[in-house]
Amino acid sequence: TQLLEQSPQFLSIQEGENLTVYCNSSSVFSSLQWYRQEPGEGPVLLVTVVTGGEVKKLKRLTFQFGDARKDSSLHITAAQPGDTGLYLCAGELNDYKLSFGAGTTVTVRA
Amino acid sequence: DAGVIQSPRHEVTEMGQEVTLRCKPISGHNSLFWYRQTMMRGLELLIYFNNNVPIDDSGMPEDRFSAKMPNASFSTLKIQPSEPRDSAVYFCASSFHGPQHFGDGTRLSIL
Repeated sequence: TQLLEQSPQFLSIQEGENLTVYCNSSSVFSSLQWYRQEPGEGPVLLVTVVTGGEVKKLKRLTFQFGDARKDSSLHITAAQPGDTGLYLCAGELNDYKLSFGAGTTVTVRA
Repeated sequence: DAGVIQSPRHEVTEMGQEVTLRCKPISGHNSLFWYRQTMMRGLELLIYFNNNVPIDDSGMPEDRFSAKMPNASFSTLKIQPSEPRDSAVYFCASSFHGPQHFGDGTRLSIL
């Protein structure tokens, strides 16, 4: 059983559209990380959110940590084909252990 | 700078054979992690080393799995004997008081 539930599991959109990926849990995390993984490669860290209610922006990507530090969202504005990949959220359980969600596969069609 | 290096990138072998996966962490990193990724279970931590010492092996599936870190620049994950249900992508990651950096994984297929 995974602590973090990601939705949707799959997302296919046209270039230029917006998308949101959700990461939910009943557990409280000290921090939450978002990764992107491309085929044949390992996950690459995009951002870490630490404070409840925190919003971080990375170009066209906006990450939000819920007030209660149980959930998070990733919003991509004007998606591009280069945004295609598997997006994973991971909650920090202690100073070394992460609990990963199952991931959302995003496909952006040109 | 070189990232985490894993070898081999792909391994196909018959069940019952011994499999050894290798990892070279980023120089200077003192924490090393082995993960397994499958469609069914996602990304799971198998074992965590700190300063070459195994700290948490609670994710190791069973006695067929073993991991070693003889020095700061090398680690192995061994499966003996291998079974078809061990088929997965195995990742190694390293860190130094910060985010984990992942290698590109070993795709293991047990026939």
